[in-house]
Amino acid sequence: EAQVTQNPRYLITVTGKKLTVTCSQNMNHEYMSWYRQDPGLGLRQIYYSMNVEVTDKGDVPEGYKVSRKEKRNFPLILESPSPNQTSLYFCASSLREGNIQYFGAGTRLSVL
Amino acid sequence: SQELEQSPQSLIVQEGKNLTINCTSSKTLYGLYWYKQKYGEGLIFLMMLQKGGEEKSHEKITAKLDEKKQQSSLHITASQPSHAGIYLCGAVSSSGSARQLTFGSGTQLTVLP
Repeated sequence: EAQVTQNPRYLITVTGKKLTVTCSQNMNHEYMSWYRQDPGLGLRQIYYSMNVEVTDKGDVPEGYKVSRKEKRNFPLILESPSPNQTSLYFCASSLREGNIQYFGAGTRLSVL
Repeated sequence: SQELEQSPQSLIVQEGKNLTINCTSSKTLYGLYWYKQKYGEGLIFLMMLQKGGEEKSHEKITAKLDEKKQQSSLHITASQPSHAGIYLCGAVSSSGSARQLTFGSGTQLTVLP
């Protein structure tokens, strides 16, 4: 089944403790992206990747890192999480830039 | 940067009623996506519109992109409880560039049985 898989689905952590949210797609998509969703603010793009080893900042990249060493994986790294990063995070992929994006089920993160 | 405004922010309708959700852009739209999200879950792609005046339908949901390509509407006919969720519009603000993909803040739809 074609899908975008995020792990974990739920995560509670404390300020400053490094964490990684994984994202994997099995559709051989070139384009991958991370978003965060907050009440009243909609979805905002954090980082995106056009292809392997090609990443760039979205609208709200501060406090986040990403890597794209393999085509299927696009992990989101929070080196030192802070409470303002408490949010619902979505990974998405598309065949290429500009094509329909397919979303993972989301990761709900709480930073205490 | 492009901004998308959705209206209404929330909508409660009785089952069987028709409804319309609007998405208005501050800039010309080069591609407009409609997604549906159930609470706490991922986004499900509904439709994509690219040409001014384009209209697409899937089951009881119809989406249109106006001629000037700055507004889209999503119309649900004879709503059912299964239509409940958050509807989001997403837009590409420059031709061919997903880098500029922007989303509206969503419309929460409740359908009462």
